[in-house]
Amino acid sequence: GESVGLHLPTLSVQEGDNSIINCAYSNSASDYFIWYKQESGKGPQFIIDIRSNMDKRQGQRVTVLLNKTVKHLSLQIAATQPGDSAVYFCAENMANQAGTALIFGKGTTLSVSS
Amino acid sequence: DAGITQSPRHKVTETGTPVTLRCHQTENHRYMYWYRQDPGHGLRLIHYSYGVKDTDKGEVSDGYSVSRSKTEDFLLTLESATSSQTSVYFCAISERTYEQYFGPGTRLTVT
Repeated sequence: GESVGLHLPTLSVQEGDNSIINCAYSNSASDYFIWYKQESGKGPQFIIDIRSNMDKRQGQRVTVLLNKTVKHLSLQIAATQPGDSAVYFCAENMANQAGTALIFGKGTTLSVSS
Repeated sequence: DAGITQSPRHKVTETGTPVTLRCHQTENHRYMYWYRQDPGHGLRLIHYSYGVKDTDKGEVSDGYSVSRSKTEDFLLTLESATSSQTSVYFCAISERTYEQYFGPGTRLTVT
């Protein structure tokens, strides 16, 4: 079946560097994409979302890029901090499907060293 | 955690016993979901609800049932727990079908 996946299970960066976390999706009908952050022992936390009619969206220190041609989604974190260490999940959702839940990728573990 | 509580937070039970997990929200959101999270599988949908008494199955619904008698409460029941149901269970809520907000999770161990 179709699913959302991530390119790398782990990513290690130095504090202050920019981090890029990638995600490939296969469902061309997906209309909406979300990035979640999950810290150890906690539930996933919403970071940023993007609709399929957009290529880029910026938040505070985070940017999500969507390339529909190659079905690729990325999360960029500027000036990565130790508090950014967590597992990051991308998720997709198809529009106008009442009650349709998100389809999650398996996650990338980001480790930030000081 | 966006006004979502889950109870219990931790539970150890024996194979064959019934278990009920509770999700309670104070946001008055329409949609509620139960996911399980396992290493190597990410988050997988068990059941969801799109209103009081309106529920439907997700990707991994076998062995689970749900009930929603009030907007604020969504119950997940394991009728006869098995070791394969050892997992971390997350409840989520949303007012639309996306932009879901998650609870703190329940760690269930079936021995």
